[in-house]
Amino acid sequence: EVQLVESGGGLVKPGGSLRLSCAASGFTINNAWMNWVRQAPGKGLEWVGRIKSKPDGGATDYAAPVKGRFTFSRDDSKNTLYLQMNSLKTEDTAMYFCTTERITGSYYYMDVWGKGTTVTVSS
Amino acid sequence: DIQMTQPPSSLSASVGDRVTITCRASQSISSYLNWYQQKPGKAPKVLIYAASSLQSGVPSRFSGSGSGTDFTLTISSLQPEDFATYYCQQSYSTVYTFGQGTKLEIK
Repeated sequence: EVQLVESGGGLVKPGGSLRLSCAASGFTINNAWMNWVRQAPGKGLEWVGRIKSKPDGGATDYAAPVKGRFTFSRDDSKNTLYLQMNSLKTEDTAMYFCTTERITGSYYYMDVWGKGTTVTVSS
Repeated sequence: DIQMTQPPSSLSASVGDRVTITCRASQSISSYLNWYQQKPGKAPKVLIYAASSLQSGVPSRFSGSGSGTDFTLTISSLQPEDFATYYCQQSYSTVYTFGQGTKLEIK
């Protein structure tokens, strides 16, 4: 079964750091573009960013609210994606989902989603 | 960034109704528009990609249309399991954006 499992969420103080992991099973992430999406409590979905596969250059793109504070990385040998979050703010409080990005022709969409991990930033 | 708007934020309907949910982009995004369904406490699930392509395994009562700036998701005959929140998302630009969501509630 194709699955993504996020972990590493928790309670952190403003200004602190946290690293989330996203472990894939049932497929290898080597050629996969991966995204992070978050959802603040009671709010809508917000795209956080993406990391392309290493064969495609491994480039990253970030949403404006997290640029310069969040960093994506991947360890394809461990079939795992990481999200390093620094200088956390209360507005980063959310459920964080990792997703695979399916590319069909020139169209892109997020098809496999994990169940998410909760990050709470509070003093 | 491209802004995605989904009016209204909630909609009431009955089982068996035909329902249309709208999404508008702040600039033309061709057909680079995806629709997701999210139920409470669950991860989103893709329904439609490229504006009108049905994702494998999704019931055929779901359909999508539109191009440019205006898009619709139609559910031809609402089933009890369809009451959820629906989000549109553009993949035209490198930086993706979602609409704020439309919550479909039971009338």
